[in-house]
Amino acid sequence: QQQVKQSPQSLIVQKGGISIINCAYENTAFDYFPWYQQFPGKGPALLIAIRPDVSEKKEGRFTISFNKSAKQFSLHIMDSQPGDSATYFCAASINDYKLSFGAGTTVTVRA
Amino acid sequence: SAVISQKPSRDICQRGTSLTIQCQVDSQVTMMFWYRQQPGQSLTLIATANQGSEATYESGFVIDKFPISRPNLTFSTLTVSNMSPEDSSIYLCSVVSGRLDEQYFGPGTRLTVT
Repeated sequence: QQQVKQSPQSLIVQKGGISIINCAYENTAFDYFPWYQQFPGKGPALLIAIRPDVSEKKEGRFTISFNKSAKQFSLHIMDSQPGDSATYFCAASINDYKLSFGAGTTVTVRA
Repeated sequence: SAVISQKPSRDICQRGTSLTIQCQVDSQVTMMFWYRQQPGQSLTLIATANQGSEATYESGFVIDKFPISRPNLTFSTLTVSNMSPEDSSIYLCSVVSGRLDEQYFGPGTRLTVT
């Protein structure tokens, strides 16, 4: 069974808009939550990651929000650009570095 | 972050044959993993490649089907044995690297079994 549930499966956003992707987990032992961006034919690229001791982390236009009590975390892409069109995966691991991935979200940014 | 290369980048193989995929890292890393990404799907961990000892396999993956070697801290191989069309996937190696122990992925090997 999938340990990390990701939604939506796909989304379309206009250029300049905000893309929001949500993930939920059950295993309270998870202590590392990265997001990866993958373009067709490429390997996943680490975008941003968070640990449970903070509720939010921002890097450029990308922000992770983390709600430990709800066991949820989300990725916000601000001012979305056509170059952001890709598949995004959330993931989680405990201290063994073994990543459990969400199902992925395909983001399409319309110019 | 570590720079990871994989060979081959893609291959088309006949069923029943085997393919060995190489993963090379530009710096020594302690943790190295192999993942599989089936067409249009997410990533699934196959095994942890342990340096100097047998790999640790996840549920559903066995050594006879996916033998792994890791002779040193910068190199590993994954062999996909006795291939069937169901093995058609992207195979990715990853490493844990950097000050914050982040995990980085190689470009992947796209395997098609006919």
